[in-house]
Amino acid sequence: NAGVTQTPKFRILKIGQSMTLQCTQDMNHNYMYWYRQDPGMGLKLIYYSVGAGITDKGEVPNGYNVSRSTTEDFPLRLELAAPSQTSVYFCASSYSTTGTYTGELFFGEGSRLTVL
Amino acid sequence: AQSVTQLDSQVPVFEEAPVELRCNYSSSVSVYLFWYVQYPNQGLQLLLKYLSGSTLVKSINGFEAEFNKSQTSFHLRKPSVHISDTAEYFCAVKRGGGNKLTFGTGTQLKVEL
Repeated sequence: NAGVTQTPKFRILKIGQSMTLQCTQDMNHNYMYWYRQDPGMGLKLIYYSVGAGITDKGEVPNGYNVSRSTTEDFPLRLELAAPSQTSVYFCASSYSTTGTYTGELFFGEGSRLTVL
Repeated sequence: AQSVTQLDSQVPVFEEAPVELRCNYSSSVSVYLFWYVQYPNQGLQLLLKYLSGSTLVKSINGFEAEFNKSQTSFHLRKPSVHISDTAEYFCAVKRGGGNKLTFGTGTQLKVEL
């Protein structure tokens, strides 16, 4: 059981380039999230999805896009990379229905992105 | 919108000593509270949670936290720490009825011999 898998683990981008961070989960979770983690800042929510075909913005969505065409996959797209997007990105998933919220997010191991 | 404050960015402690990591939240409605732990170069893992019921919750590795509604706190404690507890600890809150967690800025616990 792989859980939440993120690729790539490391990437260096030049300013203005674009790329997609891949995230897939095999737990049949309906909720998926993308966070970025910066030193001393904790985790900030970029985008989240409550199910296939449904996405919504988090706290810091500017410069990013997402899609959720299947339950398993939730890719994060960076358009026109900027140095401010240098960060560690975490994908997470959880399962929740009315009356069964557990609050447990399952995280991937992270993708470290550097924009130069 | 709810917020979470972890006042201590770093907490150094000697092995076998007790430790308390502080967490305060701001919300005027019912909340769910969590502590997550992040070991080096890994993602976060759930340590313990308060959803309802007993205000004292415990983890399998000896940590405990108490929900204090009047002080809007959810401090994490362990009576005797081990080297393997060295990690970063994040407090998080979810508003009842919402679907997003808000994380604090984290506390780095460093256990020394």
